[in-house]
Amino acid sequence: AQSVAQPEDQVNVAEGNPLTVKCTYSVSGNPYLFWYVQYPNRGLQFLLKYITGDNLVKGSYGFEAEFNKSQTSFHLKKPSALVSDSALYFCAVRGGSQGNLIFGKGTKLSVKP
Amino acid sequence: DTEVTQTPKHLVMGMTNKKSLKCEQHMGHRAMYWYKQKAKKPPELMFVYSYEKLSINESVPSRFSPECPNSSLLNLHLHALQPEDSALYLCASSQESFGGESTDTQYFGPGTRLTVL
Repeated sequence: AQSVAQPEDQVNVAEGNPLTVKCTYSVSGNPYLFWYVQYPNRGLQFLLKYITGDNLVKGSYGFEAEFNKSQTSFHLKKPSALVSDSALYFCAVRGGSQGNLIFGKGTKLSVKP
Repeated sequence: DTEVTQTPKHLVMGMTNKKSLKCEQHMGHRAMYWYKQKAKKPPELMFVYSYEKLSINESVPSRFSPECPNSSLLNLHLHALQPEDSALYLCASSQESFGGESTDTQYFGPGTRLTVL
């Protein structure tokens, strides 16, 4: 069965510092991996996805993610964090018989000034 | 345009009420989804419609009844809900949903915050 794990419930970063939000995956077959962000009382916004090709995927709002097959990881990164990046981040893998998304538990990112 | 709209934004209903949630997309997507999300938890899949036909029902109680009148609209009819059904209900759409090999992105609406008294 496909699954993703987000080992950190919360990540705290100072504004201007680089940030990393971790995700590891377990899949049979090709991993199709996604990152979404959710601001309070809002829906999920798509950030980026990995399908195939370059291991470094660039997405919205300056975010990028690095796919590492040997470590089965897909960590989300940003070189310089903003206070406005504070939100809940979900890693997801495409799986299931109908291609539905399987989400990790989420990581709350807090960026302090 | 990657917009999925949902109405209403907020809904408060009693356990004997009947209400409906609405979702609309005009991206030409042929797969639409309902998710339920409790506070600080990941979304949980409820239903998937593919080409206007129900293809997944994730063991959801019958008090939730989905409907897909056409390829752009998705409804969720609510009846005799329980307080534990209070949650954020998210609609999403994607180009297609053919099996685990689909690489399509799901785009989410802003959700309806449902409170059952």
